[in-house]
Amino acid sequence: QQPVQSPQAVILREGEDAVINCSSSKALYSVHWYRQKHGEAPVFLMILLKGGEQKGHEKISASFNEKKQQSSLYLTASQLSYSGTYFCGTEPAGGTSYGKLTFGQGTILTVHP
Amino acid sequence: DSGVTQTPKHLITATGQRVTLRCSPRSGDLSVYWYQQSLDQGLQFLIQYYNGEERAKGNILERFSAQQFPDLHSELNLSSLELGDSALYFCASSVPSGGGITDTQYFGPGTRLTVL
Repeated sequence: QQPVQSPQAVILREGEDAVINCSSSKALYSVHWYRQKHGEAPVFLMILLKGGEQKGHEKISASFNEKKQQSSLYLTASQLSYSGTYFCGTEPAGGTSYGKLTFGQGTILTVHP
Repeated sequence: DSGVTQTPKHLITATGQRVTLRCSPRSGDLSVYWYQQSLDQGLQFLIQYYNGEERAKGNILERFSAQQFPDLHSELNLSSLELGDSALYFCASSVPSGGGITDTQYFGPGTRLTVL
């Protein structure tokens, strides 16, 4: 079942903060976050693993609430380059999905000067 | 640039035809994933191969098939094409990390398929 992202869209001015949420009805092993610019490939941002391990490579943070099966992506002091569509991809708990991700519908983030 | 390559970049064809999309994973990556992205369905997982063998299957139609070759490149074959098959098709690759079962997937630039 597809995870639900909120909000569907958000408009910011440079320097403002935003939070994007991802909720699943299933127990999760991991949540993967990607950013996609129009017509381009999704770019990996971060993985949140059950048990609290967090991996990422940009100055963007995230959290994973295992009890609620929710993840949140925090973008602080937004830059113009943050504009794009953000997707969460979820991997169910149970160890048999082998990396098969189910993606949310996406959150469109627009940052204005 | 993720290191994953896909060809062709654009493909325009007619209903009922058959096409093949090609993907070369990043050097060293053993897993290849195929995704379909359309406006109404979002990003949908189709199928995964690991070192030449099918590992996971998603919402892939029977008209679609894929395989991974010994050199690890992969092909997605789409046959009896319908208008609704028009979409962006992405390939992603990953390498198993530290014994865990969750790997970072790196996406290729995609192939845009238009069925007329």
